[in-house]
Amino acid sequence: DVKVTQSSRYLVKRTGEKVFLECVQDMDHENMFWYRQDPGLGLRLIYFSYDVKMKEKGDIPEGYSVSREKKERFSLILESASTNQTSMYLCASSQEGWWGAFFGQGTRLTVV
Amino acid sequence: DAKTTQPPSMDCAEGRAANLPCNHSTISGNEYVYWYRQIHSQGPQYIIHGLKNNETNEMASLIITEDRKSSTLILPHATLRDTAVYYCIVRVGAGNNRKLIWGLGTSLAVNP
Repeated sequence: DVKVTQSSRYLVKRTGEKVFLECVQDMDHENMFWYRQDPGLGLRLIYFSYDVKMKEKGDIPEGYSVSREKKERFSLILESASTNQTSMYLCASSQEGWWGAFFGQGTRLTVV
Repeated sequence: DAKTTQPPSMDCAEGRAANLPCNHSTISGNEYVYWYRQIHSQGPQYIIHGLKNNETNEMASLIITEDRKSSTLILPHATLRDTAVYYCIVRVGAGNNRKLIWGLGTSLAVNP
């Protein structure tokens, strides 16, 4: 079974902190994604990566950055966390040419 | 971007077929339709996808109308574990600009 693992299920951080969300996939997938999910807004794409060291902005990249130094790992970085970044964050991966992505369990981030 | 429209909620009796409709009237010729579901507090799970032809796998069947303006996901024998939010999603773009457009989904309640 494909496994996408996010480092934390729940996280509480303070305003202004730098926050790292880690995601690892074990199926050698080329594509990896970061989404956030908010009530009434659905899933929104933050960033995606189709190869090591490559990244593309999604629909809401402001306030976020990403890093993909190894194929299996995709990190989402909140440079200076703010309360409006309180959300469920979902990581996903898929193989090249096929967009039936596999998702991790999500990280519920609360910024206080 | 093409968008999808789904009823916000539906009910189904356990053991009966659940038919979940989706309208994607603005879809263009090379855009795929994907279905995912999300059980409470978990990441979305891929179900099935299609372009023009009807598709079936071990989880569900996907019926796409000839004009491709709508589709129906069929769970042939719904169980209580099928209670979830079901998302009908369109893949748009090409190359490295491909992405999935997520709506708010249909909350399916399977009742005993």
